[in-house]
Amino acid sequence: EVQLVESGGGLVQPGGSLRLSCAASGFTFSSYWMHWVRQAPGKGLVWVSHIYSDGSSTGYADSVKGRFTISRDNANNTLHLQMNSLRAEDTAVYYCAAAAYSYYYMDVWGKGTTVTVSS
Amino acid sequence: SSELTQDPAVSVALGQTVRITCQGDSLRSYYASWYQQKPGQAPVLVIYGKNNRPSGIPDRFSGSSSGNTASLTITGAQAEDEADYYCNSRDSSANHVAFGGGTKLTVL
Repeated sequence: EVQLVESGGGLVQPGGSLRLSCAASGFTFSSYWMHWVRQAPGKGLVWVSHIYSDGSSTGYADSVKGRFTISRDNANNTLHLQMNSLRAEDTAVYYCAAAAYSYYYMDVWGKGTTVTVSS
Repeated sequence: SSELTQDPAVSVALGQTVRITCQGDSLRSYYASWYQQKPGQAPVLVIYGKNNRPSGIPDRFSGSSSGNTASLTITGAQAEDEADYYCNSRDSSANHVAFGGGTKLTVL
């Protein structure tokens, strides 16, 4: 079964850090572009970051650039998002998504992990 | 620009045809992809590329594009199609991806 499972979410104080992980199974992880997408409560989808299949290129939304770092471990089929200097506006469900056909066609999604930034 | 604009809400009578649109400069260069999201669930890719459906997506879903506008058409809408729909595309100048604000589809 093709699957992405996120973990690492939780409650953190403003200025704190969290590391999200996404475990992939059932497909050739190393062949896929990977993304993090977030959704604040009651709001729409917002792209956060991407990483190419071989890790050679990364990109970030302006709102997280310099604070978040995406990485992947193709040997262990895992995607990560290191989130530092967290703000209240980072509160959201964070989804990892995999794209096979093209860079932004996200055809596999996890169920998401919730990040709450609050004092 | 990576901004994509969608109508916030659209409604359709059961069995009728509805078109959901997405506008943005990047759509002049790149196809949109479309995602369906039901409450409490993760998004699902329904259309990608010129007009391609992933396995398992009903053929009542189709996509098209003209100029700076991409469209998702549901021909013969069903009750289970009631959901939020999002478009996305890429912005090559900034190596970014953008999502539209989403359209809430109500099936009457």
